[in-house]
Amino acid sequence: AQKVTQAQTEISVVEKEDVTLDCVYETRDTTYYLFWYKQPPSGELVFLIRRNSFDEQNEISGRYSWNFQKSTSSFNFTITASQVVDSAVYFCALSGQVMNTGFQKLVFGTGTRLLVSP
Amino acid sequence: DAGVIQSPRHEVTEMGQEVTLRCKPISGHNSLFWYRQTMMRGLELLIYFNNNVPIDDSGMPEDRFSAKMPNASFSTLKIQPSEPRDSAVYFCASSPYGQGNTEAFFGQGTRLTVV
Repeated sequence: AQKVTQAQTEISVVEKEDVTLDCVYETRDTTYYLFWYKQPPSGELVFLIRRNSFDEQNEISGRYSWNFQKSTSSFNFTITASQVVDSAVYFCALSGQVMNTGFQKLVFGTGTRLLVSP
Repeated sequence: DAGVIQSPRHEVTEMGQEVTLRCKPISGHNSLFWYRQTMMRGLELLIYFNNNVPIDDSGMPEDRFSAKMPNASFSTLKIQPSEPRDSAVYFCASSPYGQGNTEAFFGQGTRLTVV
């Protein structure tokens, strides 16, 4: 079975600090996908990134960067120079096989609440 | 593109009443998912449809919950009878293909309160 662990329940930082959100996953699939979603106070879930298991290159998008390490089954997310608008709950997710169907479904971690204060 | 549309946004109902949540997926998406979010259990997948057919309903809590997708542009999640422990935010999401090689797009959710 697939599992995603986000050990950090809540993180508080001051604006302009860098912050890393940890994500560790478990899967027996050889091909899988990893995702990060953001849930701001307004409640919607916003897609941030998708990464497949064959691509271990780190990715940077503006102040956001992601570090995928297959050897440690981790897919960590770093926000550089955090801003108040980054305050949200961040979810890591893993695609997992629906048994005997060939379809895949998303399994979410429990989320990390990030609070950025001015 | 209007995105995934859920209705109602908020629902307050009395225990024992029937509740129906509605979802219109993004046009052209062939996969639809219902999730439930609570503080205790986080985001749980309730049911997954592909081409209007339920693929995985192992997350549906019990027989009080049922979901239908009569066509590609509409799905419902029904709870009958509702109980206070069903209070949660229910999200609908759609995807152009499964959830593996492309992201799921979420609606804004329905906040259900059962009193």
